[in-house]
Amino acid sequence: EAQVTQNPRYLITVTGKKLTVTCSQNMNHEYMSWYRQDPGLGLRQIYYSMNVEVTDKGDVPEGYKVSRKEKRNFPLILESPSPNQTSLYFCASSLSSPDRALIYGYTFGSGTRLTVV
Amino acid sequence: KQEVTQIPAALSVPEGENLVLNCSFTDSAIYNLQWFRQDPGKGLTSLLLIQSSQREQTSGRLNASLDKSSGRSTLYIAASQPGDSATYLCAVRGATQGGSEKLVFGKGTKLTVNP
Repeated sequence: EAQVTQNPRYLITVTGKKLTVTCSQNMNHEYMSWYRQDPGLGLRQIYYSMNVEVTDKGDVPEGYKVSRKEKRNFPLILESPSPNQTSLYFCASSLSSPDRALIYGYTFGSGTRLTVV
Repeated sequence: KQEVTQIPAALSVPEGENLVLNCSFTDSAIYNLQWFRQDPGKGLTSLLLIQSSQREQTSGRLNASLDKSSGRSTLYIAASQPGDSATYLCAVRGATQGGSEKLVFGKGTKLTVNP
């Protein structure tokens, strides 16, 4: 089944304890991205990757790191989590086309609910 | 900067009613527009994807239209059912430099269909 898989689904951690949220897709998609969803603010992009070893900041990158060493994986790293990073996180992926003549939709993972105390 | 607005923020209807959800966006330079459904605390399920060159897409009881020049899209749900209760999000993928690498989301319409 074509899907984006995030782990863990739920995580409670303490301030300052490094954590990684994993994301994996099995559709050979070039684009991958991380979003966070907060009440009243909606979904906002954190980081994105256009292909292996190519990553760039989204709208709210502060406090996060990412890497794209393999095409299928795009982990989100919180080096020193703080309570304001408590949120619902989504990973998403999409195909791209070389000439951008047809831009594809995104497929989202099921989400990771992170609580930082 | 692209902004996406969804009206109304919440909608409650009786079962069986046909309904329309609205989405507007400020920059018409888009590649596509995608409608999603989100159940409470859950992930996003893609419902319909409309390319910028298309006027509408249909899937079962759902029909989405796109008027790119006026910056509007509507999601029509026919014969609504209690199982349609969820938050509906629209998102656009920009066609400007750096805009195609993300979706810009509206804040959603929370739909409740009463039995």
